Amino acid sequence: AQSVTQLDSHVSVSEGTPVLLRCNYSSSYSPSLFWYVQHPNKGLQLLLKYTSAATLVKGINGFEAEFKKSETSFHLTKPSAHMSDAAEYFCVVETSYDKVIFGPGTSLSVIP
Amino acid sequence: EAGVTQFPSHSVIEKGQTVTLRCDPISGHDNLYWYRRVMGKEIKFLLHFVKESKQDESGMPNNRFLAERTGGTYSTLKVQPAELEDSGVYFCASSLGPLAVYFGPGTRLTVT
Repeated sequence: AQSVTQLDSHVSVSEGTPVLLRCNYSSSYSPSLFWYVQHPNKGLQLLLKYTSAATLVKGINGFEAEFKKSETSFHLTKPSAHMSDAAEYFCVVETSYDKVIFGPGTSLSVIP
Repeated sequence: EAGVTQFPSHSVIEKGQTVTLRCDPISGHDNLYWYRRVMGKEIKFLLHFVKESKQDESGMPNNRFLAERTGGTYSTLKVQPAELEDSGVYFCASSLGPLAVYFGPGTRLTVT
């Protein structure tokens, strides 16, 4: 069965410093993986997705993620945090039954 | 192109009352999903429609929840009677396939 683990429930960074949000997955095959973001009182927005093409995936707002099969990881990074990046981030894995499984979420705080 | 829309954005009801949430998927999307996030918990799958048929309703918590998608267009999710533990955010999503799932803004349900 597929599952998703987000190792940090909360991450705090200073504005202008790098962001690293960790995600590990468990799957019996090579799944499609996604990162979604939810800003306060907003809906879920797709940041990026991996679908077995390039292992380094670039998304919106300067975010990118690297699929590492050997480590079963799909960590989200951004070189320089902006205040507007403060939100909750969800790592998501596609299951084999046309539905997705969400990780527990990581809350990102950006300190001015 | 309009995105997934949900109505209402926020609903406050008393325990024992009935609430109906509505989701309008992106036009042409046969797949429609309901997810929810109850307070402090992960976002969980509820059910999946393909057109008007329930493909997978394994996530529906109990028989107080009834989802319909008459005509294969919009969907409703009725909670009757509502309990305190039903409070949370209910997300709807639609897709042509599993690799491009678009989420709506969610309906925040508060049961008092």
